[in-house]
Amino acid sequence: GQQLNQSPQSMFIQEGEDVSMNCTSSSIFNTWLWYKQEPGEGPVLLIALYKAGELTSNGRLTAQFGITRKDSFLNISASIPSDVGIYFCAGQLGGYALNFGKGTSLLVTP
Amino acid sequence: NAGVTQTPKFQVLKTGQSMTLQCAQDMNHEYMSWYRQDPGMGLRLIHYSVGAGITDQGEVPNGYNVSRSTTEDFPLRLLSAAPSQTSVYFCASSLQGGNTIYFGEGSWLTVV
Repeated sequence: GQQLNQSPQSMFIQEGEDVSMNCTSSSIFNTWLWYKQEPGEGPVLLIALYKAGELTSNGRLTAQFGITRKDSFLNISASIPSDVGIYFCAGQLGGYALNFGKGTSLLVTP
Repeated sequence: NAGVTQTPKFQVLKTGQSMTLQCAQDMNHEYMSWYRQDPGMGLRLIHYSVGAGITDQGEVPNGYNVSRSTTEDFPLRLLSAAPSQTSVYFCASSLQGGNTIYFGEGSWLTVV
């Protein structure tokens, strides 16, 4: 599958700070998805993006589908301790299979 | 509210043993898939199925078999376990053409 470059690899921040992470690809996608995974659990979908340029929010989370269709970012505002986890981006071109980034590990200190 | 159910949650195998990871979904989803997750590697697709009787290979299919005799079930078989297959395995499902893919809680497999 296509390689997705997700950065940063990890973040260690204080509660209340904003967080930004992004994902880039050498190939275009028709859909970008952002998942969160907590220890011992499967990934849970946070936001799905379906059109180039689309900006979508889900509570304190905001994600955008890049105009080139080769990138996406996720922002978390005013982080709280329960935001801790690994965040994955995933691209979907056609069909059903997802291409995942390697994840951004987020740690939030009170 | 079962969603995607995987069993077992944890398993230890000896090299050369065979076993089956079970996956069932109760959402009448056509599409089901298996991923493995290794440290620093993200999730990689092993096999997938777009409907009963239809399966295909993903990115890392070697050493694994699948079948899809019913819409609900999609078992993953390890024919002769190897230490390189030590990983966390996730089953996932979605509606045909759907972008919302639901994951099970994972199966932790260790091959010694």
